[in-house]
Amino acid sequence: GIQVEQSPPDLILQEGANSTLRCNFSDSVNNLQWFHQNPWGQLINLFYIPSGTKQNGRLSATTVATERYSLLYISSSQTTDSGVYFCAVETSGSRLTFGEGTQLTVNP
Amino acid sequence: DAGITQSPRHKVTETGTPVTLRCHQTENHRYMYWYRQDPGHGLRLIHYSYGVKDTDKGEVSDGYSVSRSKTEDFLLTLESATSSQTSVYFCAIKALGNSPLHFGNGTRLTVT
Repeated sequence: GIQVEQSPPDLILQEGANSTLRCNFSDSVNNLQWFHQNPWGQLINLFYIPSGTKQNGRLSATTVATERYSLLYISSSQTTDSGVYFCAVETSGSRLTFGEGTQLTVNP
Repeated sequence: DAGITQSPRHKVTETGTPVTLRCHQTENHRYMYWYRQDPGHGLRLIHYSYGVKDTDKGEVSDGYSVSRSKTEDFLLTLESATSSQTSVYFCAIKALGNSPLHFGNGTRLTVT
């Protein structure tokens, strides 16, 4: 099956710093999504982004489908950004496969 | 928030007992999924459904069965629970076509 790799696995930032999270995938996909799991365990959909760039406040995402990667940018990080960030790729039959996530800690 | 309810939210059971987890949606979405989340493994797909009575296996389906007799309900059954099935189980839904995936709040299952 398709392989999804996220990097870095762990990231520690000071409040106000910027960061870039990466998601690589091993085969062509129908679309890609980014999720944030907060410290209470809730999974929130951040972006649905099969290709191109989208922005939502301090977060933006870019997917280059032809090169099989996606990037999630977090600017001016806040402590509430802490948690785990997952990317998921959708293949045929609407199966979604997740990467193992990036654990982000933002310190005040 | 997407209308997804998982029940129960927490359950402790003994090895060898049957367990059924329920996912209920009010969005009338076509696709429903069951994932398990374990440390070091991210989210792994157990089973998913692409319509009433239409289901397919995911990457970790052994020891699990599912049923979907109505659009709004997707049941996950552990016929004989084992300690390796201790995990957090998430249900997710997605509409037909290019659309985002939305998760329920999860069920924490402990098998002793």
